[in-house]
Amino acid sequence: GQNIDQPTEMTATEGAIVQINCTYQTSGFNGLFWYQQHAGEAPTFLSYNVLDGLEEKGRFSSFLSRSKGYSYLLLKELQMKDSASYLCAVRDSTNAGKSTFGDGTTLTVKP
Amino acid sequence: SAVISQKPSRDICQRGTSLTIQCQVDSQVTMMFWYRQQPGQSLTLIATANQGSEATYESGFVIDKFPISRPNLTFSTLTVSNMSPEDSSIYLCSVDQGEGQPQHFGDGTRLSIL
Repeated sequence: GQNIDQPTEMTATEGAIVQINCTYQTSGFNGLFWYQQHAGEAPTFLSYNVLDGLEEKGRFSSFLSRSKGYSYLLLKELQMKDSASYLCAVRDSTNAGKSTFGDGTTLTVKP
Repeated sequence: SAVISQKPSRDICQRGTSLTIQCQVDSQVTMMFWYRQQPGQSLTLIATANQGSEATYESGFVIDKFPISRPNLTFSTLTVSNMSPEDSSIYLCSVDQGEGQPQHFGDGTRLSIL
């Protein structure tokens, strides 16, 4: 089975940097994904890690350490529109390839 | 990435009725899923829609309540049967295009039961 933990809520200031952590336990790790979900909308894909290290996409970066079962999403130069829920999801090769989603971290960006 | 069209986008229904939600993808995909997201909560997987065979349901979800069809690799439907206020939720269709690809989501169906 899988267990995914991420903080429930975080607050940060516009223009700052914030790091959202995710820890997981899985039987057959086959990729970790981060999604952004604004209130009342569907999740949108942000980043994907399958190998250890950092993946950078503009203001967003995601890091993975498979040995530690750990990932983080780094958001730079925060903007008000970044206020949203951020979901960590892990794909398990032993679970018919299905992904399990964490409960999400609600990020509030303040002026 | 695949373009997913889900409809209706929202509906208000009477208790005891049923509603069918449609999900159309612009390309053939291996796996299609149906999720529920209740207010303030994360995604809960209802079932995996299997092409040409019965859907695979997660614990707590049954075919009689949530019948699913998947006649081909680009289309699926989810029916919410005999609705009660507890079924008020967002229902999301999702597709997985395989190794190295993320899941993508339709825009969701916001369902309210009176």
